[in-house]
Amino acid sequence: GAGVSQSPSNKVTEKGKDVELRCDPISGHTALYWYRQSLGQGLEFLIYFQGNSAPDKSGLPSDRFSAERTGGSVSTLTIQRTQQEDSAVYLCASSLAAQGYGYTFGSGTRLTVV
Amino acid sequence: RKEVEQDPGPFNVPEGATVAFNCTYSNSASQSFFWYRQDCRKEPKLLMSVYSSGNEDGRFTAQLNRASQYISLLIRDSKLSDSATYLCVVNYNAGNMLTFGGGTRLMVKP
Repeated sequence: GAGVSQSPSNKVTEKGKDVELRCDPISGHTALYWYRQSLGQGLEFLIYFQGNSAPDKSGLPSDRFSAERTGGSVSTLTIQRTQQEDSAVYLCASSLAAQGYGYTFGSGTRLTVV
Repeated sequence: RKEVEQDPGPFNVPEGATVAFNCTYSNSASQSFFWYRQDCRKEPKLLMSVYSSGNEDGRFTAQLNRASQYISLLIRDSKLSDSATYLCVVNYNAGNMLTFGGGTRLMVKP
């Protein structure tokens, strides 16, 4: 597609439930990133996929968080047993693999855990 | 120490003013540099890349000082629509992992 597409745009869930967030990157972009941004805060790196390489999961805050990328394209971020502190905007970005290219972000999923 | 540091602001300036933001980065091996803009409740968007020789895009000028490890963004003739948070971004890893600063908030007043 023309841009990075994320769904849903908004998600309200009850504490303890699992949620899945989807990201569809720009066609041809081999690198995909997940960040989250709490209200008034900076971007917090979560996970990075590059081609067929093992993902860099160093930013995942707990084992309740996981992500996969199927076929080198669409990615799903899963949060199990959601907690109120998981409430944030989850942003996905994609880029060309080569160094020196900026990211293009999707418009994010606003997650609210009640 | 944060890898990319910015003054969070806010910078409150009148329309037409010139305003400059600085950003410092800790890793001398950093190779690519960018400024992103983030409007309230929106995603960050690439404003401009920053090149060693400095570069200009209309009212916006970006400078890089590798020796001192800082990047600057100058906005001339500020417009109300320039009100946003400006994120300093650095690539220092292999591949294309970007590290974001916390952002500097700019508010341009009539």
